[in-house]
Amino acid sequence: DTAVSQTPKYLVTQMGNDKSIKCEQNLGHDTMYWYKQDSKKFLKIMFSYNNKELIINETVPNRFSPKSPDKAHLNLHINSLELGDSAVYFCASSQVTPRTYNEQFFGPGTRLTVL
Amino acid sequence: AQTVTQSQPEMSVQEAETVTLSCTYDTSENNYYLFWYKQPPSRQMILVIRQEAYKQQNATENRFSVNFQKAAKSFSLKISDSQLGDTAMYFCAFMKPPYNNNDMRFGAGTRLTVKP
Repeated sequence: DTAVSQTPKYLVTQMGNDKSIKCEQNLGHDTMYWYKQDSKKFLKIMFSYNNKELIINETVPNRFSPKSPDKAHLNLHINSLELGDSAVYFCASSQVTPRTYNEQFFGPGTRLTVL
Repeated sequence: AQTVTQSQPEMSVQEAETVTLSCTYDTSENNYYLFWYKQPPSRQMILVIRQEAYKQQNATENRFSVNFQKAAKSFSLKISDSQLGDTAMYFCAFMKPPYNNNDMRFGAGTRLTVKP
């Protein structure tokens, strides 16, 4: 069974469109994340959600909005897509314990191409 | 701010030989976690090894080991007996407390090619 899944794996769209990427985890984790990996392979956290509350919100355009209907899902919605949004987007999840680290499990990534 | 630097954009090694990937980081924290992640062409991010800063002993996972130099803020990854399947991007990453944020910061990556 896939631990962290993302759909779609590939997304090609036109500038100005609105799109969503879905993420689901079946690990029972309480925290989910979105990362962006640019063309130079640099991986940077965008959002972190814990128990349906946003706890990390890096400086990303407000065209990007995470939506978490429940603990097992964290979707990424992007409005008015721009060329610079082209990247691979990774979802991840973990069980957070305040005083210790818990491994983040990554999804397979979604390659977004904006034309 | 915490930063992670990988100074080797690309490296190559012959199959069965040993290679070391470099990573340095900057932090004022005394305790933290360090990681090496592997990203093969499939794009999947795979945790290779992790090290907690207060542990002096270097972490080891089969053919993968680290050289953790806390004072120098250096965290290199050694891959012994390199295999073709080790070909991938390797990312060094850092996480500081409080761990309830689970805020992980990545370096720019090193592309490793294992040659037959």
